[in-house]
Amino acid sequence: QKEVEQDPGPLSVPEGAIVSLNCTYSNSAFQYFMWYRQYSRKGPELLMYTYSSGNKEDGRFTAQVDKSSKYISLFIRDSQPSDSATYLCAGGRGGGADGLTFGKGTHLIIQP
Amino acid sequence: DTAVSQTPKYLVTQMGNDKSIKCEQNLGHDTMYWYKQDSKKFLKIMFSYNNKELIINETVPNRFSPKSPDKAHLNLHINSLELGDSAVYFCASSQEGDRWETQYFGPGTRLLVL
Repeated sequence: QKEVEQDPGPLSVPEGAIVSLNCTYSNSAFQYFMWYRQYSRKGPELLMYTYSSGNKEDGRFTAQVDKSSKYISLFIRDSQPSDSATYLCAGGRGGGADGLTFGKGTHLIIQP
Repeated sequence: DTAVSQTPKYLVTQMGNDKSIKCEQNLGHDTMYWYKQDSKKFLKIMFSYNNKELIINETVPNRFSPKSPDKAHLNLHINSLELGDSAVYFCASSQEGDRWETQYFGPGTRLLVL
């Protein structure tokens, strides 16, 4: 079992819709959870990060973490064609020179 | 200003060759990383390094070695390249402490081994 699981998609929705992206993870030691956005042929760009369980909102984006069920979500409101990208969720244990464990990413397409 | 830069952007080489990819960050971070993204877009940590320790992912062949001439640079050396090394390699950096988890990625280096 991979440590972070994510449906690769593609997920196609019409412009203006609310998008829900989800991940599950297996490593109970994860304390930090991130969402990265990656456009084609570009490096990942940090969108949101949360510590432990809870919600975090930033503009049109809301990240949710439920550690009891090991479930991570990203919601995008009023989706735009420019949101079309691959969204990667990641978890980390915290502290030290430790890297992040990424899911495979979900390819999102927003139809104009 | 580019926060994390990598050179070259593209690298095409023959099997068996030795090559290097350079990474520089101007963010003043003290921890740098190398990730590999394979053809299925799976991004996987290879190394993380700060001035205290090098952490190596156990799945990385010893043909791969990071070299850090100073705090702002972490170069990746690859010996005896194999076909399976073809991938996109990303460098990243973060600041140890409260914001270690906020990693900034470079644009990637596309390596193709023929």
